[in-house]
This record gives sequence, structure tokens and C-alpha cells, in this order.
Amino acid sequence: AQSVTQPDIHITVSEGASLELRCNYSYGATPYLFWYVQSPGQGLQLLLKYFSGDTLVQGIKGFEAEFKRSQSSFNLRKPSVHWSDAAEYFCAVGLKTSYDKVIFGPGTSLSVIP
Amino acid sequence: ETGVTQTPRHLVMGMTNKKSLKCEQHLGHNAMYWYKQSAKKPLELMFVYSLEERVENNSVPSRFSPECPNSSHLFLHLHTLQPEDSALYLCASSQDGRPGGELFFGSGTQLSVL
Repeated sequence: AQSVTQPDIHITVSEGASLELRCNYSYGATPYLFWYVQSPGQGLQLLLKYFSGDTLVQGIKGFEAEFKRSQSSFNLRKPSVHWSDAAEYFCAVGLKTSYDKVIFGPGTSLSVIP
Repeated sequence: ETGVTQTPRHLVMGMTNKKSLKCEQHLGHNAMYWYKQSAKKPLELMFVYSLEERVENNSVPSRFSPECPNSSHLFLHLHTLQPEDSALYLCASSQDGRPGGELFFGSGTQLSVL
């Protein structure tokens, strides 16, 4: 069965420090891959997505992610975290069905220390 | 109004009540979704409508009844709910429902069942 795991439930970093959020997926083929962010009291917003081609993708707010097929991973990175980045981050896979079927991971909660 | 709007933002209901959640998208999209977000659990895909046709019913109990009268509106009718149904219910839309599309989320309805 398809699944998405995010090993870190909660991460705390200092403002200005680098960040890496981990994501692994299980799927029979290469899926579409996404990172979404959810601020408190809000819905989810797309940060970036990978379909094919260059395995390093750039997103909004200075985020990037790297797809590694051999590790079934799609880790999210940011070189310097800002206090406004504190939020819940969700990795997701889009299955190649006839419509958008997106499976989300459990999320990683990010806290930023000023 | 822009994006995806959900009403009400908060709802408290007893187990014998009947209520409805409303979602409206102003993006001209053709696919709409209901997700359930419970504490400490991944987002659960409940229903998918593509071009007003239900294409996914993810083993959701019959006490949840979706309705999609047109491509801009989506409802979730609730009756005889259980306390474990308390959660944040998120509506989303995508442009044409084909795989890999970006999901645009509303801010959700926080439901409490007493």
C-alpha cells in the first residue's frame, strides 16, 4: 500500500539555522511529490512539487527539496530559517490514478527559537 | 472572495443533530475534495469530486454525506455523528483533477461533537 512517513514529529531550530525535514514514501512507481505547509488555523499551502526531471526543486519562501529515487526520499531544506517559518509541514505523494489522489504524511511541527 | 472558502469556521453539535459544512471555490477549478484532519493522524482523504461526479469514496461512514451541486460548491452533510468525528474538516480544489495538480485548501471547519 502507498504510504508517506515523516520520521520527525517535532523539530526545533534557532532562527538563522539551516533546516532539513525528512520524508520517505512507499509506492510502486515514482509518484508526484509535494511539500505543503500549514500555519495555525489555516489550510495547507503548496511549497513545492516534483514531477520529473531535475531532482532538486525550488519552491516558495526559500525552500528546496531533493528527490532521491534510491532512498525513496524527498527531503525539504532551507538554508536559513526565519521565525515566520514556524508551522506544520506535510510531505505528500500524488498517485498516478485518473484523478488527483494525494496521500499525506503525518506532518512535522517546526518551532523556531528567536 | 478569493480562493477556497469554508463555512462555518467552527461547529459544535450533539450526536443527534444534523448539520452541513459548506465549501466554495472561486478559482474555476473542476475537482473538489474533502479531507479530515484529526490530532496526531495524517490527513485522510474522504471524498473526491471531478466534474461534479464522485470518483472517490474512501470508506467513509454513511453518517457523512457529500453533495456537489456544481463545480464551485461542495457540501458535507452530517448526521448522527460520534465524538470521534471531532476534527478539522478541510475542503480543497484542483484545476482539472488530473494527477499531479496543486491542491488549494480552505481554512477548514473545526467540528466538535458532544
